[in-house]
Amino acid sequence: DIQMTQSPSSLSASVGDRVTITCRASQSISSYLIWYQQKPGKAPKLLIYAASSLQSGVPSRFSGSGSGTDFTLTISSLQPEDFATYYCQQNYSTPYTFGQGTKLEIK
Amino acid sequence: EVELLESGGGLVQPGGSLRLSCVVSGFTFSSYDMSWVRQAPGKGLEWVSGISGSGGSTYYVDSVKGRFTMSRDNSKNTLYLQMNSLRAEDTAVYYCAKFNQGTAFDDWGQGTLVTVSS
Repeated sequence: DIQMTQSPSSLSASVGDRVTITCRASQSISSYLIWYQQKPGKAPKLLIYAASSLQSGVPSRFSGSGSGTDFTLTISSLQPEDFATYYCQQNYSTPYTFGQGTKLEIK
Repeated sequence: EVELLESGGGLVQPGGSLRLSCVVSGFTFSSYDMSWVRQAPGKGLEWVSGISGSGGSTYYVDSVKGRFTMSRDNSKNTLYLQMNSLRAEDTAVYYCAKFNQGTAFDDWGQGTLVTVSS
């Protein structure tokens, strides 16, 4: 199975900050990398697919990059509604494993 | 509007069985692969199983192989997860999710809670 490792596990930031979350795969997954946002008690929301493609309706302050084994999610200017937990997932091969999550908290 | 509605969760004893259902609307169900994803209380997301649009192919994470069976009835727009030999570690909210081949898991249900406890 492909292991996905996110860092950091938690992050404190302020409104307006630029933040970056990283995700590393245990083997090459090309660009088969997805990013989700999850708020407490809610289902995950798709943000980025194919490593860098923005899902329709997602604000442009979210961006993704990377290929192979190393990927990043960047939020260019944090908004109050962005404080949540973020997960990466590989859809290169089953089982479609997730990273352990990054909890983004208000500083 | 796309909707996915899970049901069938509840409290079950270790070794018991449950069948989860996910009724969908707002899209051509048979055209999409589907998955079940679970989240243990306070923990991260875990992909559990997937099924092709026709139902002819199924995939499972190792921890549930031989115990869980995923199926679908395209005439009823319904997805199923039959869970047998349940263990405490299967306790989680179970989500059904639609896989869009052009993107990713783009629509999710609200989840149903399965609690395995004596």
